[in-house]
Amino acid sequence: AQRVTQPEKLLSVFKGAPVELKCNYSYSGSPELFWYVQYSRQRLQLLLRHISRESIKGFTADLNKGETSFHLKKPFAQEEDSAMYYCALAAFWGSNYKLTFGKGTLLTVNP
Amino acid sequence: GAVVSQHPSWVICKSGTSVKIECRSLDFQATTMFWYRQFPKQSLMLMATSNEGSKATYEQGVEKDKFLINHASLTLSTLTVTSAHPEDSSFYICSARDLVGTGAEQYFGPGTRLTVT
Repeated sequence: AQRVTQPEKLLSVFKGAPVELKCNYSYSGSPELFWYVQYSRQRLQLLLRHISRESIKGFTADLNKGETSFHLKKPFAQEEDSAMYYCALAAFWGSNYKLTFGKGTLLTVNP
Repeated sequence: GAVVSQHPSWVICKSGTSVKIECRSLDFQATTMFWYRQFPKQSLMLMATSNEGSKATYEQGVEKDKFLINHASLTLSTLTVTSAHPEDSSFYICSARDLVGTGAEQYFGPGTRLTVT
């Protein structure tokens, strides 16, 4: 079975500081990993996915298969980055596609 | 971008009654829709996967007779909470997977807040 672990429930940094949100996964197959973000009172939205290898809003995430990690990083946090961040793993489960979420990390960027 | 809507956005019902929640993909076709439940300050828990024209696949521990899912078209799935009880009060979120999208992207609805009194 697949599992996604986000060890930090809460993360608080100051504006301009680097931020790293940790994500580790467990999956026997070849994973597809995502980061989703949920701003206050808004719906969940895709931030980035590992297959795209892109940077969105200054965030990047690299898949490390050796460490089974997909940490989200940003060199200089902004106040508008304050939100709930979910790491997710996509896999086929039987004949179905399934997205499994971690428990989320609430990021607060202080002025 | 792709948009998923849900209706209603919030609903209050009495214990013992049934409530139907609609999920629509507005500008794309979705062969697969997903229903999640989110408790306060917790993550999303997948309840079931709904494929158009076939029976939904429920996750372990989710009562299929209580949470009826219908996916009659490529743009509409419904979740009916039957004989609702206060413990069913929660935030229900649907998601749809783009039929022709690249990769495995899912688009999420805004959620429906259900309160059972």
